[in-house]
Amino acid sequence: GIQVEQSPPDLILQEGANSTLRCNFSDSVNNLQWFHQNPWGQLINLFYIPSGTKQNGRLSATTVATERYSLLYISSSQTTDSGVYFCAVEVAGGGADGLTFGKGTHLIIQP
Amino acid sequence: EPEVTQTPSHQVTQMGQEVILRCVPISNHLYFYWYRQILGQKVEFLVSFYNNEISEKSEIFDDQFSVERPDGSNFTLKIRSTKLEDSAMYFCASRGGTDEAFFGQGTRLTVV
Repeated sequence: GIQVEQSPPDLILQEGANSTLRCNFSDSVNNLQWFHQNPWGQLINLFYIPSGTKQNGRLSATTVATERYSLLYISSSQTTDSGVYFCAVEVAGGGADGLTFGKGTHLIIQP
Repeated sequence: EPEVTQTPSHQVTQMGQEVILRCVPISNHLYFYWYRQILGQKVEFLVSFYNNEISEKSEIFDDQFSVERPDGSNFTLKIRSTKLEDSAMYFCASRGGTDEAFFGQGTRLTVV
């Protein structure tokens, strides 16, 4: 099946810093989503971005589908940004099949 | 804003017992899913459901598991004869089509 690799696995930053999280995938996809898992375990939708660039406040994401990677940018980090960030993809041509998740990036923002 | 709702939020059960996890997907969505996340690990796909039948299932989804859409709003996951290793967070998700999936808040299952 498709492989999803996220980097870095862990990231510790000071409040106010910027960060870039990366997601590499091994096959063509027709769905790519970024999620933030908060301390209560909830998966919060950040972006649906199978290709192109999107921005939402301090967060933005870019997917280069032809090169099989996606980047999540977090600017001016806040302590509430802490948590695990997951990238999840769906293989192209599979209809509405399930998502394959990466192992996540565990982000800690220190005050 | 429409959301996927899961009940209960936390369930504790004795090993060997059966549990039913419940989900109410977003009302106009057509595709429904269950995922599992063992503590500290990644989220894993279990099963997808479309047009009142399973469309895809993972190796994890063996005969111990079953899904059902008993009426027009609920979507359930039944786990028979629970084992300690079934302890995990279980997520329900739904999609309108081949687009963005929305996840419920999860049910934390603890098997003792």
